[in-house]
Amino acid sequence: SQQGEEDPQALSIQEGENATMNCSYKTSINNLQWYRQNSGRGLVHLILIRSNEREKHSGRLRVTLDTSKKSSSLLITASRAADTASYFCATPPSGNTPLVFGKGTRLSVIA
Amino acid sequence: DAGVIQSPRHEVTEMGQEVTLRCKPISGHDYLFWYRQTMMRGLELLIYFNNNVPIDDSGMPEDRFSAKMPNASFSTLKIQPSEPRDSAVYFCASRLGQGAKYFGPGTRLTVT
Repeated sequence: SQQGEEDPQALSIQEGENATMNCSYKTSINNLQWYRQNSGRGLVHLILIRSNEREKHSGRLRVTLDTSKKSSSLLITASRAADTASYFCATPPSGNTPLVFGKGTRLSVIA
Repeated sequence: DAGVIQSPRHEVTEMGQEVTLRCKPISGHDYLFWYRQTMMRGLELLIYFNNNVPIDDSGMPEDRFSAKMPNASFSTLKIQPSEPRDSAVYFCASRLGQGAKYFGPGTRLTVT
């Protein structure tokens, strides 16, 4: 069963705009991870936020985590055409168990 | 490091044939995962290994699927006999402890 559910399923924006994607999950987590997948390629790890963190930054990426609402958001600022990809959130349901992925948000950045 | 290596990148086969997908994890990683991705079902975990030992194969669709990891640097996922509904992209990923997971480029399988 899926743990993470991304919202929206698809997002199309103009280059330079900010893109916000949301993720909701069902059970308690130790951490939440965001991945990017370019068309026809494997997934690339972007950022990990731990359950005791509320916000984390990495370059143009900003991730927030609200454990009370069981939700996370990924913000990409000043988007570029190269950001076009699918973005997945994933959580390890417990301990050292493997990640469970959502179906992803397909982001299209139009130049 | 070359990253996770998968072969072949594309496989087209006829229904009923045996298919073997291969994966070489990143050297030193102690976890290896096999995932399947389709438009309808998203990314599904099939099986994962820790130190070459299968830990959880509950995601394997049925007995036609089998996976092995004979040593720390090689794993196979076999489908016998293959069916059209097995068509998907199969990803292998590896991880060291609880660190980030690194995915291979995937094998696109088409069963006609």
